[in-house]
Amino acid sequence: ETGVTQTPRHLVMGMTNKKSLKCEQHLGHNAMYWYKQSAKKPLELMFVYSLEERVENNSVPSRFSPECPNSSHLFLHLHTLQPEDSALYLCASSQVTGLDEQYFGPGTRLTVT
Amino acid sequence: DQQVKQNSPSLSVQEGRISILNCDYTNSMFDYFLWYKKYPAEGPTFLISISSIKDKNEDGRFTVLNKSAKHLSLHIVPSQPGDSAVYFCAAPELSFGAGTTVTVRA
Repeated sequence: ETGVTQTPRHLVMGMTNKKSLKCEQHLGHNAMYWYKQSAKKPLELMFVYSLEERVENNSVPSRFSPECPNSSHLFLHLHTLQPEDSALYLCASSQVTGLDEQYFGPGTRLTVT
Repeated sequence: DQQVKQNSPSLSVQEGRISILNCDYTNSMFDYFLWYKKYPAEGPTFLISISSIKDKNEDGRFTVLNKSAKHLSLHIVPSQPGDSAVYFCAAPELSFGAGTTVTVRA
């Protein structure tokens, strides 16, 4: 596979469930990102990893827990989410953080019931 | 506070005509801007960028203008049906606008 892939593409979970989103990039990039896109709102940056180290956490609630085991993989662990967390979660990667153009995955459409 | 604003949520244009998308930003220290295009059920894809020291950047039918203070515009000429998508303006510090949905009518 090429580019940035995300699984699952769709996820429905209850508020007491624990689930994980997976992102994988095949581009040899050093930076990876999690974004949240809610309807009619700007893309919200959640987490930034550079060389497997978290470099930014934009005041994201602790019910979202990222994990970056290596530079190609990024996870977002979810637990005790709220209905307002329903959104499209996008993963992206870039060669370096900040100015470099980012390559996005197709996203995971999450619905919390 | 939102640092990058796209105040027009949608734009409808006739095929062959020009589409003009606007983006305003609050931080004068931003020195680089990017535009992304997003189709439904796909992630955003990079479209075109511009440095703050340049007032224009062209790539085929897409032109970014940076001629007004804290304001950018993306021009698509001529607009084609395949250009129908959501367009995001983005700045360093990874701030994205809310997006403008462009619909090109055949």
